[in-house]
Amino acid sequence: EAGVAQSPRYKIIEKRQSVAFWCNPISGHATLYWYQQILGQGPKLLIQFQNNGVVDDSQLPKDRFSAERLKGVDSTLKIQPAKLEDSAVYLCASSFWTGGTGELFFGEGSRLTVL
Amino acid sequence: GENVEQHPSTLSVQEGDSAVIKCTYSDSASNYFPWYKQELGKRPQLIIDIRSNVGEKKDQRIAVTLNKTAKHFSLHITETQPEDSAVYFCAAISGGSYIPTFGRGTSLIVHP
Repeated sequence: EAGVAQSPRYKIIEKRQSVAFWCNPISGHATLYWYQQILGQGPKLLIQFQNNGVVDDSQLPKDRFSAERLKGVDSTLKIQPAKLEDSAVYLCASSFWTGGTGELFFGEGSRLTVL
Repeated sequence: GENVEQHPSTLSVQEGDSAVIKCTYSDSASNYFPWYKQELGKRPQLIIDIRSNVGEKKDQRIAVTLNKTAKHFSLHITETQPEDSAVYFCAAISGGSYIPTFGRGTSLIVHP
């Protein structure tokens, strides 16, 4: 089956500019996650969707980050305006389970460099 | 919320040796503990997981143990090989919130 698709793979922007990342989860997966992975650290959850509703966004910097999941499928993560500390890999993951436990399938990630 | 601590941050072993990575968690409601392997420049992939009703699980050279009372779980890799070199992440998922929290990762280096 097709895996989690993300784009773009790489993006370089100047601080204060905006950027958007796109994610297409595995077909049938109800749960979608956006993680931020700074070099040398573990993935940090930014937002978790269950279908098109938000389960948790407590660590999303809402003054600059926004995310949406239209129709419970694809999702976009936007940063505006970007800061130097936003340089990281943004990982999208999806999971089949709707409240139990199960494997997270990750995309290749979108590497953001803010200059 | 859940807090997951992972140690060591770096582990260097000789080929054939065993490697052990340890994690602790804070939320007693956590009931699912997966381990992910991330090779350089690649996506994290699940290698083994354990649920709270099980104390130990093995899959060939990899095993995971769970001590619910002490709130810690460990990954054991025996007969390490150079291809085991990667960053390993533990995670804990609460049965209440269903939110996965990851540790900071352990960089395992297996020297030939």
